[in-house]
Amino acid sequence: GAGVSQSPRYKVAKRGQDVALRCDPISGHVSLFWYQQALGQGPEFLTYFQNEAQLDKSGLPSDRFFAERPEGSVSTLKIQRTQQEDSAVYLCASSLRDFPYEQYFGPGTRLTVT
Amino acid sequence: AQSVTQLGSHVSVSEGALVLLRCNYSSSVPPYLFWYVQYPNQGLQLLLKYTSAATLVKGINGFEAEFKKSETSFHLTKPSAHMSDAAEYFCAVRKAGGGNKLTFGTGTQLKVEL
Repeated sequence: GAGVSQSPRYKVAKRGQDVALRCDPISGHVSLFWYQQALGQGPEFLTYFQNEAQLDKSGLPSDRFFAERPEGSVSTLKIQRTQQEDSAVYLCASSLRDFPYEQYFGPGTRLTVT
Repeated sequence: AQSVTQLGSHVSVSEGALVLLRCNYSSSVPPYLFWYVQYPNQGLQLLLKYTSAATLVKGINGFEAEFKKSETSFHLTKPSAHMSDAAEYFCAVRKAGGGNKLTFGTGTQLKVEL
């Protein structure tokens, strides 16, 4: 079956531009996570949804980062006024329910801010 | 805070040799621990997880890990490396008792040589 998909796979933005990154979770998965993976580092948690409710946004690095999942399926991570330090791979993961269900990861969106 | 430390950012082994990737965790209570593998331009794939049942956990592709509370370790092993094992490996922890986010180590790049 289809896994988690993310689009675009690659995004180049000029500093100061706004970007929107999309995540399509596995159909029927209740939980959705966003992680940020800087070059040479492990993924770092950004935010978590259960259906359309954003239950944890403790990892969002600044108020320029905003995530939504309005209908409990597709999610969008928006970054306003991008900065060079935002350059990273943004990973989305979904799971059928909360732990101990496995998180399935998408291939990520590589964002480069120039 | 829950965290994991992966010793050795790069490990090189010969094909057929033992693979040993190290992971130590810091936690006041036994956490839930995971190993993920990431191939280039792909998302993370779960290899195995420890959820306080058996201390020796067997995963996919011939990998296994042993939870050692006395050493606060969860090292990943495979008896005989294959060329297809070349990838980046991440150890991760989930806080016991609540929260669904994963905290990842910085990763170990495994190289398999002929």
